Amino acid sequence: AQSVSQHNHHVILSEAASLELGCNYSYGGTVNLFWYVQYPGQHLQLLLKYFSGDPLVKGIKGFEAEFIKSKFSFNLRKPSVQWSDTAEYFCAVSGNTDKLIFGTGTRLQVFP
Amino acid sequence: DADVTQTPRNRITKTGKRIMLECSQTKGHDRMYWYRQDPGLGLRLIYYSFDVKDINKGEISDGYSVSRQAQAKFSLSLESAIPNQTALYFCATSDRSTDQKSYNEQFFGPGTRLTVL
Repeated sequence: AQSVSQHNHHVILSEAASLELGCNYSYGGTVNLFWYVQYPGQHLQLLLKYFSGDPLVKGIKGFEAEFIKSKFSFNLRKPSVQWSDTAEYFCAVSGNTDKLIFGTGTRLQVFP
Repeated sequence: DADVTQTPRNRITKTGKRIMLECSQTKGHDRMYWYRQDPGLGLRLIYYSFDVKDINKGEISDGYSVSRQAQAKFSLSLESAIPNQTALYFCATSDRSTDQKSYNEQFFGPGTRLTVL
């Protein structure tokens, strides 16, 4: 069965710290991978996506993610977080069915 | 104006009541989805529709029904609401374009916070 695991449920960082959020997926076939962000009180917005090609993808607001096929992983990174990055982050995967399977989310709190 | 809108934004109802949540989109997308979000569980798919005549159950469809009234409108109904349906409900849309740059990307509405007492 398709599934997505986000092992970090709650991450607390100080501003300027580096961030890496883990995402592992289970899916038999070609995958499309996504990271969505949900700022407090807002709807989900796409941060970045991977379909094919360069496994290192860059998204908005300085975020990037690396697809490592051998590890079934798509970890999200940012070299230096800001207070405004406080949000919940969701990893998602889809195959050829157009349905997204979401992870349970990681809540990030950044303190000034 | 928002591309994906949901009404109402907040609703409190009682056990046993029928309630409808509505979603409208101006993106011209064929595909629409309903999710519920619960703390610690992420988003789970309730129903989805790939066009007006196509309705499919998601992973947690029990207790819910949907209606795709038009390409732009997709409603979710709770026939007899129960307290464990208290959640944040999101509607989303996606394009069926084969352009890989947009493939499968879903666009979300602002959500409806539903409380069932």
